[in-house]
Amino acid sequence: SAVISQKPSRDICQRGTSLTIQCQVDSQVTMMFWYRQQPGQSLTLIATANQGSEATYESGFVIDKFPISRPNLTFSTLTVSNMSPEDSSIYLCSVGDRLYGYTFGSGTRLTVV
Amino acid sequence: KQEVTQIPAALSVPEGENLVLNCSFTDSAIYNLQWFRQDPGKGLTSLLLIQSSQREQTSGRLNASLDKSSGRSTLYIAASQPGDSATYLCAAFRVNAGGTSYGKLTFGQGTILTVHP
Repeated sequence: SAVISQKPSRDICQRGTSLTIQCQVDSQVTMMFWYRQQPGQSLTLIATANQGSEATYESGFVIDKFPISRPNLTFSTLTVSNMSPEDSSIYLCSVGDRLYGYTFGSGTRLTVV
Repeated sequence: KQEVTQIPAALSVPEGENLVLNCSFTDSAIYNLQWFRQDPGKGLTSLLLIQSSQREQTSGRLNASLDKSSGRSTLYIAASQPGDSATYLCAAFRVNAGGTSYGKLTFGQGTILTVHP
């Protein structure tokens, strides 16, 4: 299955600032997915990122708050903008594979103070 | 709309017990079912993938079954160990006929497993 390197693993940020999370995949993939996991909750899909096109956002998530880049088939970034304490969550990227299903990055644990 | 439910929400067992985690879903049509493990504050580790055409998968002490007619999947863990303590998540997703397009994952709320020595 694909191997995903996600950075940073954790960060503590001041409210009003932005954080960019990176995911690097060891193989070319068409779609990459970004998830948020709020404390004590299950995962919620933020957006699907296709190379060469705008990301598709789920209901409740907007591009201004969570801009996504997908410059090539192995890399994507998610930015959490103008952060507030409510953005404190674990953020995860994921890719799908026909044989192995979905693979996830190790997660970014974000705390906004 | 697919909905996934996991029972129980939490489970605490002594080391060595065999245990079963349950996952139910509302729409079984061409959905694959994947089980994950999540350690606190970490990402998800895939345990087993059951494709829509399959009935079960096994890996070591883990066995997962899929019953589409009843909309249920179970994860069986044999001879549990303290290292098995984690949150276990099941998730369903659609795949097109060619296997080239994946639908989004719909997750259950998870089962928090504690195995005490």
